Amino acid sequence: GQSLEQPSEVTAVEGAIVQINCTYQTSGFYGLSWYQQHDGGAPTFLSYNALDGLEETGRFSSFLSRSDSYGYLLLQELQMKDSASYFCAVRSHQTGANNLFFGTGTRLTVIP
Amino acid sequence: SQTIHQWPATLVQPVGSPLSLECTVEGTSNPNLYWYRQAAGRGLQLLFYSVGIGQISSEVPQNLSASRPQDRQFILSSKKLLLSDSGFYLCAWSATGGDEQFFGPGTRLTVL
Repeated sequence: GQSLEQPSEVTAVEGAIVQINCTYQTSGFYGLSWYQQHDGGAPTFLSYNALDGLEETGRFSSFLSRSDSYGYLLLQELQMKDSASYFCAVRSHQTGANNLFFGTGTRLTVIP
Repeated sequence: SQTIHQWPATLVQPVGSPLSLECTVEGTSNPNLYWYRQAAGRGLQLLFYSVGIGQISSEVPQNLSASRPQDRQFILSSKKLLLSDSGFYLCAWSATGGDEQFFGPGTRLTVL
């Protein structure tokens, strides 16, 4: 089978930096995605990493290490609106090239 | 620009009743289409995906079915709902080979 592990909850202070880790097990790995979901809303795409290294998009960065089957999402200069659930999702030969297998999500709470 | 619509937004149905949820996409052609279910506080479970009209793949055996009668229309159905069918149902689309999935606003289904 395949699996994804990410922390269930994280709390951080406004203005700080937080890192959400994700480890995966799958066969024929293609890439790792991150999605944000606010309560009651739809998931929205944040990033996709197919190659090792760090990709930066504004305050958000995503990192992948294929050899370690590990990735993380880094959120900088946290704002209250960043309080949401964050899901990592893997695309692999096992999921099918067009499909994603989602983790159970990390609920981020940003406090003043 | 592309948009994705789902209706209804909320639905309360008795056990044993039928179900029909509809999803339509605008502004793109030949999208990959997906149905996900999300239980409260959980991750997204892929139920069905489709790469073209009449082509449906099921990921999880259940009492639900899906159909794609038109290129940009995806329908989720059930003949008899179970209590365990309650959840947040999300439709999504992606371009062939695209890294990002775009989610609709979702339907919150409660089966009583």
